[in-house]
Amino acid sequence: NAGVTQTPKFQVLKTGQSMTLQCAQDMNHEYMSWYRQDPGMGLRLIHYSVGAGITDQGEVPNGYNVSRSTTEDFPLRLLSAAPSQTSVYFCASSYSGPYYGYTFGSGTRLTVV
Amino acid sequence: RKEVEQDPGPFNVPEGATVAFNCTYSNSASQSFFWYRQDCRKEPKLLMSVYSSGNEDGRFTAQLNRASQYISLLIRDSKLSDSATYLCLYNNNDMRFGAGTRLTVKP
Repeated sequence: NAGVTQTPKFQVLKTGQSMTLQCAQDMNHEYMSWYRQDPGMGLRLIHYSVGAGITDQGEVPNGYNVSRSTTEDFPLRLLSAAPSQTSVYFCASSYSGPYYGYTFGSGTRLTVV
Repeated sequence: RKEVEQDPGPFNVPEGATVAFNCTYSNSASQSFFWYRQDCRKEPKLLMSVYSSGNEDGRFTAQLNRASQYISLLIRDSKLSDSATYLCLYNNNDMRFGAGTRLTVKP
């Protein structure tokens, strides 16, 4: 039981490049989310999904796309990387409903130069 | 007002001390609450859920005050290993975290 797996762990991009951060979970969780964490800003919700085929925007969705074609996978796409997207990105999953907390992946450290 | 607010600290306490953190929230419809612990350069990990009746897990006690819209985390007999950032999370089908409170326990 791997939990939540994120790849890659580290990435350096040039401004304007695109890339996809991968997230997979094997716990049959319906709810999945992407957060970014910046110093002094805490965890900010980018996008989330309550099940396959359903996604919604969080606090800071601009510059990011998501899709949820399966229960297991929830990739995050950076369309045209900007230095402001330098951050640590965490994927998290949970059972549906308000009474469950999150399980987090180990994070992706992204630097945009 | 931010949806979830925490005192960022840092809280510097000696071993054996009792320390408490609060987290205030603005959405009175929030249904459930959690405390997470995050070590430096690691992912957050669930520490405990917060129930209306309060709950205790060893040296840790969490409480919810719906009337004043805050949750609290009390750590008794602090250990060096308790040094971390503590994040509150409320789940109203749109999970929001506080920015975290940094705790350092010193010998």
